[in-house]
Amino acid sequence: EADIYQTPRYLVIGTGKKITLECSQTMGHDKMYWYQQDPGMELHLIHYSYGVNSTEKGDLSSESTVSRIRTEHFPLTLESARPSHTSQYLCASSGSSGADEQFFGPGTRLTVL
Amino acid sequence: KQEVTQIPAALSVPEGENLVLNCSFTDSAIYNLQWFRQDPGKGLTSLLLIQSSQREQTSGRLNASLDKSSGRSTLYIAASQPGDSATYLCAVTTGRRALTFGSGTRLQVQP
Repeated sequence: EADIYQTPRYLVIGTGKKITLECSQTMGHDKMYWYQQDPGMELHLIHYSYGVNSTEKGDLSSESTVSRIRTEHFPLTLESARPSHTSQYLCASSGSSGADEQFFGPGTRLTVL
Repeated sequence: KQEVTQIPAALSVPEGENLVLNCSFTDSAIYNLQWFRQDPGKGLTSLLLIQSSQREQTSGRLNASLDKSSGRSTLYIAASQPGDSATYLCAVTTGRRALTFGSGTRLQVQP
């Protein structure tokens, strides 16, 4: 079944640790996105990719980095986690057919102590 | 810069009522508009997608309209049910094909 997956769903980690949030989709989509949502707040785009080896920063400045080595995989990395990174991170993808409907993964809720 | 506003921020209605959620956006140069549902602590579920050339879309008890020139969309929910309780988000797609979100309407349907 075509879907979009995120792991881990929940992560509690100490300050200074390096973390990678995984996002994979089996929908055959070219475009992928990362959004950040603080509790009770709006979603903001932090990274997006139009295809392999293509990555761009979004509207909200983020210390995270992304890579797109394979079409189906779009991981997000924080080299040194801080409490200010505590948030929910949502991954999405959309096709190139023109409809541009975005589909979201279940999210990763990150807590940095 | 595109800004999306949703009114009301919160809404509580008794079961069975029909209701309307409002969304407005500042830049009419959009590719499409999507309505999502978000349950607490969960991801987003796409409800309806309206292309910029369309006026409305329907799915079951949901109907979304789009007036691109005035920068407005409405989501109509018929015969509301307690299971409809969630936060409803409106988002528009602009040049980069990424979404700009509103802050959402928190809906509570009382049994």
